Amino acid sequence: NAGVTQTPKFQVLKTGQSMTLQCAQDMNHNSMYWYRQDPGMGLRLIYYSASEGTTDKGEVPNGYNVSRLNKREFSLRLESAAPSQTSVYFCASSEGGGRKRNIQYFGAGTRLSVL
Amino acid sequence: AQSVTQLDSQVPVFEEAPVELRCNYSSSVSVYLFWYVQYPNQGLQLLLKYLSGSTLVESINGFEAEFNKSQTSFHLRKPSVHISDTAEYFCAVSGSARQLTFGSGTQLTVLP
Repeated sequence: NAGVTQTPKFQVLKTGQSMTLQCAQDMNHNSMYWYRQDPGMGLRLIYYSASEGTTDKGEVPNGYNVSRLNKREFSLRLESAAPSQTSVYFCASSEGGGRKRNIQYFGAGTRLSVL
Repeated sequence: AQSVTQLDSQVPVFEEAPVELRCNYSSSVSVYLFWYVQYPNQGLQLLLKYLSGSTLVESINGFEAEFNKSQTSFHLRKPSVHISDTAEYFCAVSGSARQLTFGSGTQLTVLP
């Protein structure tokens, strides 16, 4: 059971470089999410997709873009990386369709360093 | 708007001792509440949840949490901890939107 798969696991970028973080889920979930985790701040929502074809901003969307490629895949793009984007990024998915079905399942994370 | 406060960032405790990790929330609507656990270099795993019904919820590995509406709390307890419980624990709340709001986390360290 793969669940939520994120690639890559680790990445080092130079300031100004771009990259895309990939996320795929095999649970036939409707909703997908991108979070960043920073020490002492818990997880903060960057973007989410309530269903295929829709995306919405979360708490900290600046400097990021997302694409819901299909029902399985939700990618996060950094167009011009900055040191402030050094963080651990988590993708999550849930059934959606109402709060009772919003139990979120998480990937293992991508550890990104921007020098 | 909703928020979650985890008052203790670090909780050291000796093996086989009881532990309580505190979580308080604020929300203008009824909430669903969750505890997630994160082991080193891993993602978050759901530990337990309160959606409705009994205010006391339990996990399969001995943790329990009680939803207290009057005190807006959802504290996590275990009567006897093991070394393997060492991890970071996150409280989260889901309010009127589908989104989860997380607390800042509590690092539980179980000492031999």
